[in-house]
Amino acid sequence: GAVVSQHPSRVICKSGTSVKIECRSLDFQATTMFWYRQFPKQSLMLMATSNEGSKATYEQGVEKDKFLINHASLTLSTLTVTSAHPEDSSFYICSATNLAGGSSGANVLTFGAGSRLTVL
Amino acid sequence: AQSVAQPEDQVNVAEGNPLTVKCTYSVSGNPYLFWYVQYPNRGLQFLLKYITGDNLVKGSYGFEAEFNKSQTSFHLKKPSALVSDSALYFCAVRDGRTGGYNKLIFGAGTRLAVHP
Repeated sequence: GAVVSQHPSRVICKSGTSVKIECRSLDFQATTMFWYRQFPKQSLMLMATSNEGSKATYEQGVEKDKFLINHASLTLSTLTVTSAHPEDSSFYICSATNLAGGSSGANVLTFGAGSRLTVL
Repeated sequence: AQSVAQPEDQVNVAEGNPLTVKCTYSVSGNPYLFWYVQYPNRGLQFLLKYITGDNLVKGSYGFEAEFNKSQTSFHLKKPSALVSDSALYFCAVRDGRTGGYNKLIFGAGTRLAVHP
């Protein structure tokens, strides 16, 4: 089945530094990738939708300059948390799907295992 | 606007007993409904989905869910719970209207605890 790899699984960084998280689709071409943030004991909050080769679409309230998303190929999307602060500490999860051929609302999203970011 | 409600923060059940995790939804068009499971510090795993057809959907690990249009519900069920089923369960809905890809909206999650 479809597999999405997310790296790193855990990262600890100092306040003010930038952190990059990678999301790769291993056995399918991901036309669209989604980035979510999950706070403890809460649901997933969609941060942005990225389509290969175009700019990401950010959800309301998500700072695009803070959370840089790049989807340069059909198998890789990256999320960079710039100038990280302790309040950015969270569990970040990516998911991917292939929407080629038109609307595919029935598509199942494949999720990565998540990346836990801790900013000191 | 789309929304999903999971009214129970936690469900406790004894191993071997049937389990139900509740989900109700609201969409303008026809709903595409999904259940995902999350184990600690992991991403979400797909369990099952309802798009069209039979109201009773069978999925992974012996789980099933019943789509009830009149009650706008999509409860997750399993006839006999296992301790290994203990995890966080998310219901999600997408508006099935054609014309584009609509984002998936997740419920708040329900923690299932199965006791030996």
